[in-house]
Parts: sequence; C-alpha cells; structure tokens
Amino acid sequence: QVQLQQSGPGLVKPSQTLSLTCAISGDSVSSNSAAWNWIRQSPSRGLEWLGRTYYRSKWYNDYAVSLKDRIIINADTAKDHFSLHLTSVTPEDTAVYYCTRAVADGAHYFDRWGQGTLVTVSS
Amino acid sequence: QSVLTQPPSASGTPGQRVTISCSGSSSNIGANTVNWYQQFPGTAPKLVIYINNLRPSGVPDRFSGSKSGTSASLAISGLQSEDEADYYCVAWDDSLNGWVFGGGTKLTVL
Repeated sequence: QVQLQQSGPGLVKPSQTLSLTCAISGDSVSSNSAAWNWIRQSPSRGLEWLGRTYYRSKWYNDYAVSLKDRIIINADTAKDHFSLHLTSVTPEDTAVYYCTRAVADGAHYFDRWGQGTLVTVSS
Repeated sequence: QSVLTQPPSASGTPGQRVTISCSGSSSNIGANTVNWYQQFPGTAPKLVIYINNLRPSGVPDRFSGSKSGTSASLAISGLQSEDEADYYCVAWDDSLNGWVFGGGTKLTVL
C-alpha cells in the first residue's frame, strides 16, 4: 500500500522559504511510471497544482507558470522522498499543501495524497 | 479564477440522480482525460473517477463519468447523505504544461 507522509513547519515568516518534505512508502521516487507532485488549496485560490518531479532515465521537473521563479521540487533517492521549496513567500502563499503521486495507467491521475500540511505565512 | 469551470453548488434528495458539469477548452479537456475527486472537510481529496469514466476499486457504481468535446460531467445516482461533499474535476493542460482544476462543486443532500 503506497503512502505519502508529509513533514515541515506550519508557520513561515514573510520573505522566507517554505520547505516541505514528502516521504514515500510502498513505491520509489525513481519509479518510471509515476510523477511526484505538490498541490495546494486555499479558500481564495481553490486547488492549485504547483509542480512535479519525475524520473525517466533522467530527472525532469515541471512548474506552474505563476511560480516558476520561486519554486524548486527535488527528489532524494537515498531516502525515497521529495521536497518542495518555495522562496520569498507572502501571506498569499498561506494554504494547505499536499504531496501527491500521479500514475501513468493509460493516462495520468493522482491516486495517492499526503495528509496535507497547513502552512501559514505570518510574522 | 479556475481554468476549468464548475457550478459552485448542486443539490438533490436521497435517491435522486445529480450531475456536476466541468467545462474546459481544447488544450485541457479537449485534449486529455478528466479525473474527478471527492473531498470532505479537513481531509485530502479522494479519487472517484479517472480517465473520464473509470471507477477506482471501492468507489460505488453509483458514481459515473463522461466526457464530450471540451466538457465532462460526473453523475451520482441513488444519492445518499454520505455523498455530501465537494467535488473537483482536473485535467492536464497542454498549453500551460500543467494540471488544472475546477473551482469545485459543493454537493448538498437535502
């Protein structure tokens, strides 16, 4: 049974970097049939895809256009986890953040979600 | 404002059939498959329909999905009180090179 376990701080100061980690069990971050995503949800913006990392003989990343200058998603193969780093945060980045797995099974879909982490940006 | 358009609310009485629509464009729904998620307050979304009309194991066959052109819909027949939740559609967008979501539909069972 694949499970995703999120960790990271729930409070970040404005202008600082938000960092979250998602630990994978039951699968591998280097899987050739999965992509590892970060999604956030807030009352004002709804569900918003932030980006993904995946391995297909080499590592690839895709990021939401609106965040491209502030976001990095990377994988740690030794620990089988992946991380989100969002720089220069403002109160608008306050949201519940989820890590997810997207599988390729004819087409892609998110089949596993982390438990969610409420991150508040405030001084 | 969400890329995919859903009605903000829907309702029905127990036993009824309700349909939730999701409208997109040629770069998302028109070009790719649609997935639907159910979400209860304080919990992560749960997959209820994938690849337009497939149900994951454990999802009742009361849930069904369809897609035509640049629109998709989720239907729930034999409505039950436990179906009261928020529902979201999602699809890959080739122009944005990313996943896009609907704004969500709050389903109320009267």
